[in-house]
Amino acid sequence: AQSVAQPEDQVNVAEGNPLTVKCTYSVSGNPYLFWYVQYPNRGLQFLLKYITGDNLVKGSYGFEAEFNKSQTSFHLKKPSALVSDSALYFCAVRALNFGNEKLTFGTGTRLTIIP
Amino acid sequence: EPEVTQTPSHQVTQMGQEVILRCVPISNHLYFYWYRQILGQKVEFLVSFYNNEISEKSEIFDDQFSVERPDGSNFTLKIRSTKLEDSAMYFCASRREAAFFGQGTRLTVV
Repeated sequence: AQSVAQPEDQVNVAEGNPLTVKCTYSVSGNPYLFWYVQYPNRGLQFLLKYITGDNLVKGSYGFEAEFNKSQTSFHLKKPSALVSDSALYFCAVRALNFGNEKLTFGTGTRLTIIP
Repeated sequence: EPEVTQTPSHQVTQMGQEVILRCVPISNHLYFYWYRQILGQKVEFLVSFYNNEISEKSEIFDDQFSVERPDGSNFTLKIRSTKLEDSAMYFCASRREAAFFGQGTRLTVV
């Protein structure tokens, strides 16, 4: 079974400060890892992915995430937060196993950037 | 930029009625999914579809649910006899590596 934990329901950050949204995962075998963002009454928008290679991956809107295999973590980061980054963020995992197609999501973290 | 499109954006139906939610995946994607989200909370997997058949489904996806790719472009989710607890936002997705999601259909069962 695969699972994702996002330990913080809510993260508040002052505008201009760095932000981190935490994610840990559990999967059999190697993981594919993803971050998605959801704005109110909208769909899930892809931000970035880790498949293989460099542990630091860069994505849309200045976001990046670091894959840490020993800690089974994939935290989302941004050096300087914008008010427009306020949204619901989901981490997701899919095991790199033939026949496993399921993408499992965490419970989401609501990020609020304070002006 | 290609995107997944879903129709309708909002569907209201009476309990016990059948509904069909429609999706047009991105054209060169091979894997298709349905997910649902209740009240902006957790995103729940329903079913995955590859090579014209279901590849995986969750315990939510019981006999009341079915999926179809009738014409090589559309991908549909049918709920045969809707219940109040089926009220949710339903998202279609397609992928090569990363899954791309549509804007969703808000289903309200009354």
